Amino acid sequence: NAGVTQTPKFQVLKTGQSMTLQCAQDMNHNSMYWYRQDPGMGLRLIYYSASEGTTDKGEVPNGYNVSRLNKREFSLRLESAAPSQTSVYFCASTMSGVNTGELFFGEGSRLTVL
Amino acid sequence: GENVEQHPSTLSVQEGDSAVIKCTYSDSASNYFPWYKQELGKRPQLIIDIRSNVGEKKDQRIAVTLNKTAKHFSLHITETQPEDSAVYFCAASTSNYGQNFVFGPGTRLSVLP
Repeated sequence: NAGVTQTPKFQVLKTGQSMTLQCAQDMNHNSMYWYRQDPGMGLRLIYYSASEGTTDKGEVPNGYNVSRLNKREFSLRLESAAPSQTSVYFCASTMSGVNTGELFFGEGSRLTVL
Repeated sequence: GENVEQHPSTLSVQEGDSAVIKCTYSDSASNYFPWYKQELGKRPQLIIDIRSNVGEKKDQRIAVTLNKTAKHFSLHITETQPEDSAVYFCAASTSNYGQNFVFGPGTRLSVLP
């Protein structure tokens, strides 16, 4: 049981390049999330997916796109990277519903945009 | 939408002392309040949570209290140890389908030997 797995762990991009962060969970969770973490800013929600086939914007969606490929996988794409997107990105998942449970996080992906 | 504030932003205590971190939330519909601990370079991990039908919950040295009327909840750590040094995040959420977790900005706790 690997939990939440995200790749890559580290990435350096040049301004204007594109990339996709991959996330997969093996806990049969229905809801998945992408957060970014910047110093002093806590965890800010980029996009989330309540269930397979649905996605919704979070607090800071500009410059990002997401795909909920199936129940297990939720990817985050940067089409044209900017230095302001330098951050640590965390994917998370949970079983949401009447008794929402723990939000499980991946190990994080550290992205630097030059 | 929901807004979560957290204080203090940094906290230093002597080993063995208690530490208290406070959070306030704005959305009265929020009914699930987890606390996460994040060690340097690691992922956030749940340490305790509380639901709105409960006023207090305790797990060994860690306790959380909730005041729904005032919309605030607090994390209490007793007999602090050096391994408690980390960043702590509070969050608020609803238990509805597809809920959004909103996090506070975090508190950096340092336990001094």
